[in-house]
Amino acid sequence: DIQMTQSPSSVSASVGDRVTITCRASQGIRSWLAWYQQKPGKAPKLLISAASSLQTGVPSRFSGSGSGTDFTLTISSLQPEDFATYYCQQANSFPITFGQGTRLEIK
Amino acid sequence: EVQLLESGGGLAQPGGSLRLSCEASGLTFSSYAMSWVRQAPGKGLEWVSTVSASGGRTYYADSVKGRFTLSRDNSKNTLYLQMNSLRAEDTAVYYCAKIQRGENYYGMDVWGQGTTVAVSS
Repeated sequence: DIQMTQSPSSVSASVGDRVTITCRASQGIRSWLAWYQQKPGKAPKLLISAASSLQTGVPSRFSGSGSGTDFTLTISSLQPEDFATYYCQQANSFPITFGQGTRLEIK
Repeated sequence: EVQLLESGGGLAQPGGSLRLSCEASGLTFSSYAMSWVRQAPGKGLEWVSTVSASGGRTYYADSVKGRFTLSRDNSKNTLYLQMNSLRAEDTAVYYCAKIQRGENYYGMDVWGQGTTVAVSS
């Protein structure tokens, strides 16, 4: 199974900050990586697929990059509604696996 | 509007069974692979199972293989997850989700609101 490791596990930041979350795969997954945002009590929301393809309706302050084993999600200027938990997910092969999550908190 | 509506969650005893359903609307259900993802209380996301658009291929996490069966009825736009031999560690919110394209490779772009399964004596 492909293990997905996110860092950091949690981060505190302020509105307007730039934040980067990293996701590392235990083996190469080409560009088959998705990023999700989840708020408490809600279903996850797909932000980015295929490592860098921003979903319709997702603000352009979100961006994704990487290929192979190392990926990043960047939020260029944090907004109040961005404080949530973020997950990466490899979609290269079954079993599908998720990272453990990164909790983004208000400083 | 594309919607997924789960039902069938509840309280089950260890060793018992439950059947979850997920009814889809606003999309051509038969064109998309579908998955179940669960989230134990206070924990992260765990993929459970995926079924191809036709229903001909299914994939399972090792943690549920042999106990859970995923199926779909494209004539009813409905996905089913039959859960047998339930364990306490199956306690979670179960989400059904549509895979954006193909059977994998892309993310899950539509999610239901979730249905809660609690396994306890």
